[in-house]
Amino acid sequence: QQQVKQSPQSLIVQKGGISIINCAYENTAFDYFPWYQQFPGKGPALLIAIRPDVSEKKEGRFTISFNKSAKQFSLHIMDSQPGDSATYFCAASSSFDFGNEKLTFGTGTRLTIIP
Amino acid sequence: SQTIHQWPATLVQPVGSPLSLECTVEGTSNPNLYWYRQAAGRGLQLLFYSVGIGQISSEVPQNLSASRPQDRQFILSSKKLLLSDSGFYLCAWSVRVASINSGNTIYFGEGSWLTVV
Repeated sequence: QQQVKQSPQSLIVQKGGISIINCAYENTAFDYFPWYQQFPGKGPALLIAIRPDVSEKKEGRFTISFNKSAKQFSLHIMDSQPGDSATYFCAASSSFDFGNEKLTFGTGTRLTIIP
Repeated sequence: SQTIHQWPATLVQPVGSPLSLECTVEGTSNPNLYWYRQAAGRGLQLLFYSVGIGQISSEVPQNLSASRPQDRQFILSSKKLLLSDSGFYLCAWSVRVASINSGNTIYFGEGSWLTVV
């Protein structure tokens, strides 16, 4: 019930295209859903996050879409650029569920943007 | 602003030797602290979690141990390294009490590459 399932494992997108990464969860107590971006040899960094009271959050070219009834959320990268090539992790946690407040991470998606 | 420092950045150690990776956080008090391991091309595996000085939770049984001697210091250790301990080790922190605004955001350090030979 603590798992977050992420797909695809790897993704190749042409420059200017839309990159879409999907995640699904089971724990209905989850109420915080961040996405992390990791470049090779670096620690992951928070990219964007969403709470389930909204269905979409947009920051620049990055958008999180959230479907509470389906227990799914996704990251969309518009106008993908070679600099977006990185590994992306989705995550989830329950802010007020003592003992379960740690982030549960997906398995990661390696995104490659080709010219 | 808060910063997290982790060292050494790279380490090559022989099998059976000890290990000590150190992490410190600045600009915040009483944080939650974490050690993660990431095998090459793999996901993030939570190793240890600490909510306060001397309080360590181990997430997976293994050859490693963690200690928190001070509020903002977290140390990952091993008495005898195994080949399977090789990987990318990440220290991270989060605020002690999540809020509506902060959620449970985890902030990662730059990582330490450990190669056991």
